[in-house]
Amino acid sequence: LAKTTQPISMDSYEGQEVNITCSHNNIATNDYITWYQQFPSQGPRFIIQGYKTKVTNEVASLFIPADRKSSTLSLPRVSLSDTAVYYCLVGDQGGRRALTFGSGTRLQVQP
Amino acid sequence: KAGVTQTPRYLIKTRGQQVTLSCSPISGHRSVSWYQQTPGQGLQFLFEYFSETQRNKGNFPGRFSGRQFSNSRSEMNVSTLELGDSALYLCASSRIPQDTQYFGPGTRLTVL
Repeated sequence: LAKTTQPISMDSYEGQEVNITCSHNNIATNDYITWYQQFPSQGPRFIIQGYKTKVTNEVASLFIPADRKSSTLSLPRVSLSDTAVYYCLVGDQGGRRALTFGSGTRLQVQP
Repeated sequence: KAGVTQTPRYLIKTRGQQVTLSCSPISGHRSVSWYQQTPGQGLQFLFEYFSETQRNKGNFPGRFSGRQFSNSRSEMNVSTLELGDSALYLCASSRIPQDTQYFGPGTRLTVL
């Protein structure tokens, strides 16, 4: 299983751009990188997924360098409601779905 | 399109009892995975079902079991409950295995 490493916590202010980096040195060729957002006592919410280079949707961007050993989730102009835990998830090799969530990054947005 | 639904949302049991949790996936999704989330261990994979067959299983004791029905709905059962089983149990569905997972709101199980 591909292991991921993220910062435990980050602080930001409303209106700022937040970049959360995830390290996944042993990512496999077939693995995708997926980010989820989770609020307390709720299920994780899918944010964005990518395989290489850059992916952008209405809520975030995902930057993946050529070696794919890391990825950066970028949240533009965060608001208080973006305060949550963000998980970086890497799909494991061989088509198995025993995906493991890391400890996540607790983002605290201040007014 | 309705999201993943889980019932019940909250449950209180005592040690030694058993519990059954239910998950209805998003319409058209045939893969269902179950996760346990606790403050100490984080979010851990329990098992995944696809077309009524268990495809993968995490590192949990045999007290944890599950099944999937022909309509893709899934249930998980925990027998002989222990205090440490208190957790948020999450269900996630996807169209097929390896596709993006979408999570339900979870069932909060408290074992007294």
